[in-house]
Amino acid sequence: GQQLNQSPQSMFIQEGEDVSMNCTSSSIFNTWLWYKQEPGEGPVLLIALYKAGELTSNGRLTAQFGITRKDSFLNISASIPSDVGIYFCAGQKTSGSRLTFGEGTQLTVNP
Amino acid sequence: NAGVTQTPKFQVLKTGQSMTLQCAQDMNHNSMYWYRQDPGMGLRLIYYSASEGTTDKGEVPNGYNVSRLNKREFSLRLESAAPSQTSVYFCASSAEGQNNQPQHFGDGTRLSIL
Repeated sequence: GQQLNQSPQSMFIQEGEDVSMNCTSSSIFNTWLWYKQEPGEGPVLLIALYKAGELTSNGRLTAQFGITRKDSFLNISASIPSDVGIYFCAGQKTSGSRLTFGEGTQLTVNP
Repeated sequence: NAGVTQTPKFQVLKTGQSMTLQCAQDMNHNSMYWYRQDPGMGLRLIYYSASEGTTDKGEVPNGYNVSRLNKREFSLRLESAAPSQTSVYFCASSAEGQNNQPQHFGDGTRLSIL
C-alpha cells in the first residue's frame, strides 16, 4: 500500500533546540494531520491542516500544508523532555477516504 | 471523557487460537477503524466501517474479520491466530462527512502470538 515518506526516522536533540520533520508523497492529499504517540498509548492528534499553504500553530508546534499538496512540515520550537515520542504524519485524499500514515519520527530530547 | 476504549490491553495467544478485540467509542462517531502497528511500518489499516452496518477491507485484511455491532462498537476477530499477527492493534473513530474530521485513537491492544 501507499506510504508517505516521513523523515527523519529518528532525532536525538538537546533540550531547548528546535525540531523539524516532514512528510512527502507522490500524490496529492487534501488533508494533512500530525499525531504524537507516547509509549503505551495511542496516537493523539496535534494539528490538522485542511488547505494548501495553511500554517497552523498549537503552542510550540507549527505545521504547514505544502502548496503542492504533496507535503507537510512540523516544527517544534524550544523542545522540552516531554516532547519525547513518535510523531506521525497522515494524509487524507477526500472526506471519508482512508488515512495514509508516514512511518513516524522517533524524537528523543536529552535534558 | 473516555473517547475510544479498547479491551483487552494485553493478550498472549497460541498459534491457532481465536480471539476478539473489542472497541467502543462514546463520541457518536459514524466511522470506525482498525489498524495494526509494527516497528518501522507505521500504522496500516486492516478494516474500517464508514457507518453502522457497513464494513470494508483496508490495506491488510487477510486473517481478520470485523463486526460493526452498533454505532458505538466495532470488534476485530482473529479466527486462527498466526505469529505474523503479533502486533499492536489500534481502534480509531471519526465523525466522517464533516470536513474531513480527524481520527481519534484508543490506547491499543498489545497482542503476542506464540
